[in-house]
Amino acid sequence: EPEVTQTPSHQVTQMGQEVILRCVPISNHLYFYWYRQILGQKVEFLVSFYNNEISEKSEIFDDQFSVERPDGSNFTLKIRSTKLEDSAMYFCASSDGLDEQFFGPGTRLTVL
Amino acid sequence: AQSVTQLGSHVSVSEGALVLLRCNYSSSVPPYLFWYVQYPNQGLQLLLKYTTGATLVKGINGFEAEFKKSETSFHLTKPSAHMSDAAEYFCAVATGGNNRLAFGKGNQVVVIP
Repeated sequence: EPEVTQTPSHQVTQMGQEVILRCVPISNHLYFYWYRQILGQKVEFLVSFYNNEISEKSEIFDDQFSVERPDGSNFTLKIRSTKLEDSAMYFCASSDGLDEQFFGPGTRLTVL
Repeated sequence: AQSVTQLGSHVSVSEGALVLLRCNYSSSVPPYLFWYVQYPNQGLQLLLKYTTGATLVKGINGFEAEFKKSETSFHLTKPSAHMSDAAEYFCAVATGGNNRLAFGKGNQVVVIP
């Protein structure tokens, strides 16, 4: 069964460093999403991506964040200069445009 | 803005007893509603969804949920809990044209033998 994959499963970084979180969506899907979950809090929407551009972003998704689909299969989330409060589980999801989003297992980002 | 409320972060249920997880939503348009389950160290897996049509929806692993517009609710039930049901459960509502999901805080279900 097709699934969304994410790498790495756990990323530890120093404050101020850049990180790139990677996702491989399901191959025939066209809509891509990033969510995050800070420990003990709700899963929060960050950004959606369609047709090679951002279709919607939340107030969390400020200039420190960017997304890219560099090669037609990967979907990446970059955080330019990480802050302590960026520590969270980051989930990638993809959809064929109907209603269900399929989620990856997540990347746990720890900023020291 | 659309939102979801799930009360009671931790829910304990005896094996064989009814599982009931409550979800209330707020939406200015007809909602799409979802329940997701998360097992340890895994991603979010769809249990069931309501989009249109029949208001009682059945999902995987014996779970079902009923959409009640008058009560703005989408409670999740399972008649008989199994040890394998121990997990975190999230209710979500789809919002906007891109179907961004707004999640509740989740319920951590513990099944007591």
